[in-house]
Amino acid sequence: GQQLNQSPQSMFIQEGEDVSMNCTSSSIFNTWLWYKQDPGEGPVLLIALYKAGELTSNGRLTAQFGITRKDSFLNISASIPSDVGIYFCAGAYGKLTFGQGTILTVHP
Amino acid sequence: EAGVAQSPRYKIIEKRQSVAFWCNPISGHATLYWYQQILGQGPKLLIQFQNNGVVDDSQLPKDRFSAERLKGVDSTLKIQPAKLEDSAVYLCASSIGPGRAFFGPGTRLTVL
Repeated sequence: GQQLNQSPQSMFIQEGEDVSMNCTSSSIFNTWLWYKQDPGEGPVLLIALYKAGELTSNGRLTAQFGITRKDSFLNISASIPSDVGIYFCAGAYGKLTFGQGTILTVHP
Repeated sequence: EAGVAQSPRYKIIEKRQSVAFWCNPISGHATLYWYQQILGQGPKLLIQFQNNGVVDDSQLPKDRFSAERLKGVDSTLKIQPAKLEDSAVYLCASSIGPGRAFFGPGTRLTVL
């Protein structure tokens, strides 16, 4: 079945630093999505990407849909304490498959 | 626009008991998903509906789990009988088509 490899598993950074995480797969996807999940809540959609090579921003967040359609990355610029949480990538090709998540900790 | 609604938010049962979860998707969303999220892991797709038809249920443990989506709107997920390893958060999500899914708050199930 489809599997997504998300890295890194966790990150500890200082407030103001930039963050980068990525997701790779052996399968191609038609859509790449990035979600953030806070404790006790469902994942919240941050960015959706629909075309290979697409680069999309949402405030301090930037994500790209890889040319091969098998990978995607998410960058967060100038991190702030409220960026703390778990970030998931997800790929859609018929069904929607999630990565294992990146735990982000931001130290003030 | 109202989001995805789920109930209950929390449920504690003993092993071998039965439990049911309910989901009301965003109005107009044809695709509905049920995910299982074990602590420390990413959501795992259990079943995906398109209207009231099943698109994928390859990871649904069909000997104990069942789901239905009558009339293509609300959905229920049932576990009978529950096992200790079923302790997890059960997430419902919906989308207009495949992808770009919006999630509800989840139901946290504890099996003792």
